[in-house]
Amino acid sequence: AQKVTQAQTEISVVEKEDVTLDCVYETRDTTYYLFWYKQPPSGELVFLIRRNSFDEQNEISGRYSWNFQKSTSSFNFTITASQVVDSAVYFCALSDQGRGSTLGRLYFGRGTQLTVWP
Amino acid sequence: DSGVTQTPKHLITATGQRVTLRCSPRSGDLSVYWYQQSLDQGLQFLIQYYNGEERAKGNILERFSAQQFPDLHSELNLSSLELGDSALYFCASSVAGQVNQPQHFGDGTRLSIL
Repeated sequence: AQKVTQAQTEISVVEKEDVTLDCVYETRDTTYYLFWYKQPPSGELVFLIRRNSFDEQNEISGRYSWNFQKSTSSFNFTITASQVVDSAVYFCALSDQGRGSTLGRLYFGRGTQLTVWP
Repeated sequence: DSGVTQTPKHLITATGQRVTLRCSPRSGDLSVYWYQQSLDQGLQFLIQYYNGEERAKGNILERFSAQQFPDLHSELNLSSLELGDSALYFCASSVAGQVNQPQHFGDGTRLSIL
């Protein structure tokens, strides 16, 4: 069965601190995709990144970086030098080929509420 | 702006009523997904359509139904509404509904049942 766990319900940091959001996933498939989405206070869901199960290279995009470790089934997200505008709920999600299907339904974690204080 | 349009943004209605939520996917996207976000259940997949045909069903109640029209817009119909149906309903779209394709979400429709 597919499952995504975000153990941190809420995190508070002060501006300019680095913060890491944890994501652990479960799947029986060898081919799967992991995603991070951001939900700011306005409510929309914004796609941040996609990573496939065969690519374990870390990725950096500006102040954002992602660490994918297949050995521990984790796909963690780090924000460097956090800013107040980073305050949002961050969701980790999994998409796999369960039952041989290539359909792309997403399994979401419960999200981590990040609050960055000035 | 994701390019996915959902209307209305807010809907307030009473128990027992029926509502229709509408979604226009991004230009060029053939697949539409519906998700429900509630405090109890988090973000749950409801149903997926690809080019007018239903492709996958998730935790969708029998009181709920959906369709995708020839112009690719989709509607989610919720009937015999109950208090527990209050939630934020998201529509998402992707190019072809494949597992490797990011889904782009609309702003959601917030449904409140009084």
